Amino acid sequence: DAGVIQSPRHEVTEMGQEVTLRCKPISGHDYLFWYRQTMMRGLELLIYFNNNVPIDDSGMPEDRFSAKMPNASFSTLKIQPSEPRDSAVYFCASSFIGGVRNTIYFGEGSWLTVV
Amino acid sequence: QKEVEQNSGPLSVPEGAIASLNCTYSDRGSQSFFWYRQYSGKSPELIMSIYSNGDKEDGRFTAQLNKASQYVSLLIRDSQPSDSATYLCAGRTTSGTYKYIFGTGTRLKVLA
Repeated sequence: DAGVIQSPRHEVTEMGQEVTLRCKPISGHDYLFWYRQTMMRGLELLIYFNNNVPIDDSGMPEDRFSAKMPNASFSTLKIQPSEPRDSAVYFCASSFIGGVRNTIYFGEGSWLTVV
Repeated sequence: QKEVEQNSGPLSVPEGAIASLNCTYSDRGSQSFFWYRQYSGKSPELIMSIYSNGDKEDGRFTAQLNKASQYVSLLIRDSQPSDSATYLCAGRTTSGTYKYIFGTGTRLKVLA
């Protein structure tokens, strides 16, 4: 399997611009998670989906952040407008709860810098 | 209080020694626990999972879980410089659905 695929890998954008991060989960997985990682706060859960339905978005920092999962093989995380404090690594992860290892698998991350 | 807490380190151990990494959690609803290793600039990768009280061994790694004390640990025997990384502890809740919460990680340095 190709693993969780994220794009872009790196993005540098100016404050106020819209940023869209994309994720393709592992085929057959029924859970998808978006995390943000910074040195200060570690790995924070932003939102997660089960069978394409958002289950818990309590970690989304503010209304500037939104996430969608239109189908089982694609999800987006959007920041509009972006701010310098949004600079972080954004990880997408997926899981199949009925799987043997029963854990989540991470993509390689999207490194976002807002200047 | 964070739901999963770890000492940020760095924890420095000499090559060949045992490294002991610790984690506490606050949600008694958490049933499953995971240890991930993250090298600098890379994504987290799973090392071990543990679901029941007691020890679970896998090669040089041993995970320990004590649900009464809400404590999880990871022991790395015969530590190697290649083990130098950040180790993340995660708990998974099962209250209604599945939610993985991570600690901030402990940075381990194995000195050659």
